[in-house]
Amino acid sequence: KNQVEQSPQSLIILEGKNCTLQCNYTVSPFSNLRWYKQDTGRGPVSLTIMTFSENTKSNGRYTATLDADTKQSSLHITASQLSDSASYICVVSATNQGGKLIFGQGTELSVKP
Amino acid sequence: DSGVTQTPKHLITATGQRVTLRCSPRSGDLSVYWYQQSLDQGLQFLIQYYNGEERAKGNILERFSAQQFPDLHSELNLSSLELGDSALYFCASSAAGRTYEQYFGPGTRLTVT
Repeated sequence: KNQVEQSPQSLIILEGKNCTLQCNYTVSPFSNLRWYKQDTGRGPVSLTIMTFSENTKSNGRYTATLDADTKQSSLHITASQLSDSASYICVVSATNQGGKLIFGQGTELSVKP
Repeated sequence: DSGVTQTPKHLITATGQRVTLRCSPRSGDLSVYWYQQSLDQGLQFLIQYYNGEERAKGNILERFSAQQFPDLHSELNLSSLELGDSALYFCASSAAGRTYEQYFGPGTRLTVT
């Protein structure tokens, strides 16, 4: 069964600190993986997208990594800001399901002053 | 701003009623997707339309239906509403052949009392 699991479920960090969120997936055959940021009550916004051949991609203070062999991805946030408080969702797409997206449950990040 | 618009932003209605949620995709996008996000739950895929035709179905209840019109806007109809239908409903759109690159609207918050 195609699944995406994220850890931790929630995380509290102090402003200015770094953090890393994890995503493990069993989706096969793998097409691509995206990280979305979802502010409370708002629509998800894409941060990064990686295909099989890419193992790292950055978007400002956000850096995503992908290990297609171990089927793991991480999202590293550097020098966190209060505005980083949100849910971060890992989304994986399989090549044989018409591009159907499989969503993780998300990691709820809270950045405190 | 993703370019996807949804109306209304909020909707409060009683059990047993019927509501219609509206979505306008980004200019040029042919695919529209509907998602449900209940409190503290991940995004659940409901249904996808491509250029007016139903393309994929997810966990959509029989009480729910959707359609995509010739101008590509879409409507999600929810009938015989139950308390458990209270949720955020998101619409997303993507360009042809880019199902994995979905842009989400701001959502409609439905409250069933």
